[in-house]
Amino acid sequence: NAGVTQTPKFQVLKTGQSMTLQCAQDMNHNSMYWYRQDPGMGLRLIYYSASEGTTDKGEVPNGYNVSRLNKREFSLRLESAAPSQTSVYFCASSVGPLDGYTFGSGTRLTVV
Amino acid sequence: GIQVEQSPPDLILQEGANSTLRCNFSDSVNNLQWFHQNPWGQLINLFYIPSGTKQNGRLSATTVATERYSLLYISSSQTTDSGVYFCAVDYQLIWGAGTKLIIKP
Repeated sequence: NAGVTQTPKFQVLKTGQSMTLQCAQDMNHNSMYWYRQDPGMGLRLIYYSASEGTTDKGEVPNGYNVSRLNKREFSLRLESAAPSQTSVYFCASSVGPLDGYTFGSGTRLTVV
Repeated sequence: GIQVEQSPPDLILQEGANSTLRCNFSDSVNNLQWFHQNPWGQLINLFYIPSGTKQNGRLSATTVATERYSLLYISSSQTTDSGVYFCAVDYQLIWGAGTKLIIKP
């Protein structure tokens, strides 16, 4: 039982490049989330998907797009990376928004 | 929006000691969770506790929703308890800044 799987684990981008972070869960959860964590801080919500077919903005959505591909997969895309997007990105899932969350192991992204 | 404050920001203890971590929040919430982030960055859900008391081994948590705070208790600390403990509240989770706990052998 893998839980929440994120790929890649590490990535270095040049300013202006694009990339997609992948996330998949095998727990049949309805809700999925993308967060970013900057040094010394708690997580901040980028986008979430309450259920398959829906996506909504979180606290810090600028510069990102998401796709809920199916119930299992929720991807995060950076269209034109900027140094301010250097961070650790976490994907999470839950049965619903008021249930316990399970997190992936994170993607460490550096934009130079 | 809701503000989440955690205290203390840092805590250094000897192995075997007990500790209490606090989470204050500025408005009523429907969701409160405690997480442990280990030194390798992995986030583990400890408790989903919008109200009441729960226990899991050496860890327990109490949330007093009417007074807008939650407490996480760690008893008989072990070095593996080291890391950052986060409180997060409400829909889609609003996070505090965390308590960094270091347990010395």
